[in-house]
Amino acid sequence: DAGVIQSPRHEVTEMGQEVTLRCKPISGHDYLFWYRQTMMRGLELLIYFNNNVPIDDSGMPEDRFSAKMPNASFSTLKIQPSEPRDSAVYFCASSLRGFNTGELFFGEGSRLTVL
Amino acid sequence: AQSVTQPDIHITVSEGASLELRCNYSYGATPYLFWYVQSPGQGLQLLLKYFSGDTLVQGIKGFEAEFKRSQSSFNLRKPSVHWSDAAEYFCAVGTAGGSYIPTFGRGTSLIVHP
Repeated sequence: DAGVIQSPRHEVTEMGQEVTLRCKPISGHDYLFWYRQTMMRGLELLIYFNNNVPIDDSGMPEDRFSAKMPNASFSTLKIQPSEPRDSAVYFCASSLRGFNTGELFFGEGSRLTVL
Repeated sequence: AQSVTQPDIHITVSEGASLELRCNYSYGATPYLFWYVQSPGQGLQLLLKYFSGDTLVQGIKGFEAEFKRSQSSFNLRKPSVHWSDAAEYFCAVGTAGGSYIPTFGRGTSLIVHP
């Protein structure tokens, strides 16, 4: 299997622009997680899905952030409008039967820089 | 709510020396505990995990960790460090059922000197 695939790997944009990050989980995995990593706050869970349904989005910082999972093989994290404080590395991870019973498989991340 | 503390931001060791990375957790019940490693520019990879049973768990790449309930700790160890072990190491705690919010520590950066 190719693992979790994220795109783009790097994104540089200007404040106010819309940013869309994409994730393809490992085939057959039923959980998908979006994390954000910064020096200041470490690794934060933003949202996770089970069988394409959002279960907990309490980590989403504000309404500018939205995430969707239209099918089992694709998810997006959108920031609109983007702000400099959104600069971070965004990770997507997937697992079978969830975090507590199995291993999370992480993508290589999308490094976002908002100028 | 559970929390994880990794008290060391950076650890420097010489190649071939032993390694211990500290992790303390706070959780009222028996936690599920994990160690992940992140190489530069990469995502996190699971090293090992503890759910129940033997408190000494073996992982990949020669790592092991010991769960000590009395100390609320889950320290990661390796008897002989290789230069390729230089990376960021994350301890994480999960809950058994209920609210499904995994928590990661802030990470410890391992520097290996030749």
